[in-house]
Amino acid sequence: QTVVTQEPSFSVSPGGTVTLTCGLISGSVSSNYWPSWYHQAPGQAPRTLIYGTNYRSSGVPDRVSGSILGNRAVLTITGAQADDEGDYYCVLYMGSAIWVFGGGTKVTVL
Amino acid sequence: QLVQSGAELKKPGASVKISCQTSGYTFISYYVHWVRQVPGQGLEWMGIINPSGGDTTYSQKFQGRVTMTRDTIASTVYLELSGLTSDDTAVYFCARRGGRNGIDVWGQGTTVSVS
Repeated sequence: QTVVTQEPSFSVSPGGTVTLTCGLISGSVSSNYWPSWYHQAPGQAPRTLIYGTNYRSSGVPDRVSGSILGNRAVLTITGAQADDEGDYYCVLYMGSAIWVFGGGTKVTVL
Repeated sequence: QLVQSGAELKKPGASVKISCQTSGYTFISYYVHWVRQVPGQGLEWMGIINPSGGDTTYSQKFQGRVTMTRDTIASTVYLELSGLTSDDTAVYFCARRGGRNGIDVWGQGTTVSVS
């Protein structure tokens, strides 16, 4: 059972908005968990999108953003494009030098 | 930049040692994670090493089977996994811990097949 929860899948039309969430089975995600987000295209290494809740990694366009909403971390991508397809992972820092990945969300642009 | 060693094929019960050579930054200034991905599954955090002091923290899942080490002269970190089973067939990534507890640089991945 994955402690960090993500939607298994998300579909979006080209030009639409992707909204992915990252939660905890028990408790609320806050900035204290330093949520970060990663995109992995098929057969590729992950690429860092967001770290520290809402800091964009170098080269990531500003249509990608991170936030906390309610008890979850949220990744928002506006103006969805074909190359936004792939798997998205959130990672939470649990303290004591322990990190945990969510199960990932498969995003389809169709 | 993080450059990992090549693919490995191992027998069940064997051990594997993967390297991750770093360049372009001060080696001892950044912790390095190890992350794996079993075919068709998600990313899984295995542990982290502090290249400065060599101290490590491992995921409870791998405790007792995993060893992370470093060579400060070679600016390289290593992952050793023992008692391999077919369930350890996966791609293993090293990744640099960046600011605000994120990951900012990823290795290209090393495929380990156990058969």
